[in-house]
Amino acid sequence: EVQLVDSGGGLVQPGGSLRLSCAASGFTLSTYTMSWVRQAPGKGLEWVSLLSGGGSTYYADSAKGRFTISRDNSRNTLYLQMNSLRVEDTALYYCALLGDTYGSDYWGQGTPVTVSS
Amino acid sequence: QSVLTQPPSASGTPGQRVTISCSGSSSSIGINYVYWYQQFPGTAPKLLIFNNDQRPSGVPDRFSGSKSGTSASLAISGLRSEDEADYYCAAWDDSLSGWVFGGGTKLTVL
Repeated sequence: EVQLVDSGGGLVQPGGSLRLSCAASGFTLSTYTMSWVRQAPGKGLEWVSLLSGGGSTYYADSAKGRFTISRDNSRNTLYLQMNSLRVEDTALYYCALLGDTYGSDYWGQGTPVTVSS
Repeated sequence: QSVLTQPPSASGTPGQRVTISCSGSSSSIGINYVYWYQQFPGTAPKLLIFNNDQRPSGVPDRFSGSKSGTSASLAISGLRSEDEADYYCAAWDDSLSGWVFGGGTKLTVL
């Protein structure tokens, strides 16, 4: 059974850092292009970052220069290192498989990040 | 403001057919596949439509997708109370080199 478990969220002050994790089971993360997607309270979905199977990375403008996506193949885990956090980064963060042309659909349960003083 | 434009709300009565539109651009919907997601409060989104008009296994055929030019639509026929949820369209945008989502449409079954 495919499962994604998101963790690492929490309360952090503006300017602080957090590292989110997404542990995968039932499939090999490195063979897929995985994304982080966030959802601010009461708002819609916003794509944050992507890591391809080949190792290419892409970031939303809101994340460029502050967030880093990475993967540990030995742990089958996806990460999102978030630095210089802002109040507007407050959201529920999901790791997800987006855009699979075979219709696969994998989402974590989300991990909440709150940036507040 | 979202890159893909959806109506914020839609409604219908049980048994009706409703459609939700999604407007994009030549660099997003115009040249890439459109995906539709359904989300219930407190849960992760679920894929409803992929590759513009394909349904993953397990998604009822009451749900259908279409694309024309830089716009796409999700149609729900035989509306049921359990269809009441938020619906999002998504596509890759070549100009932005990233995924873009619509702002979401809250569907109410009257």
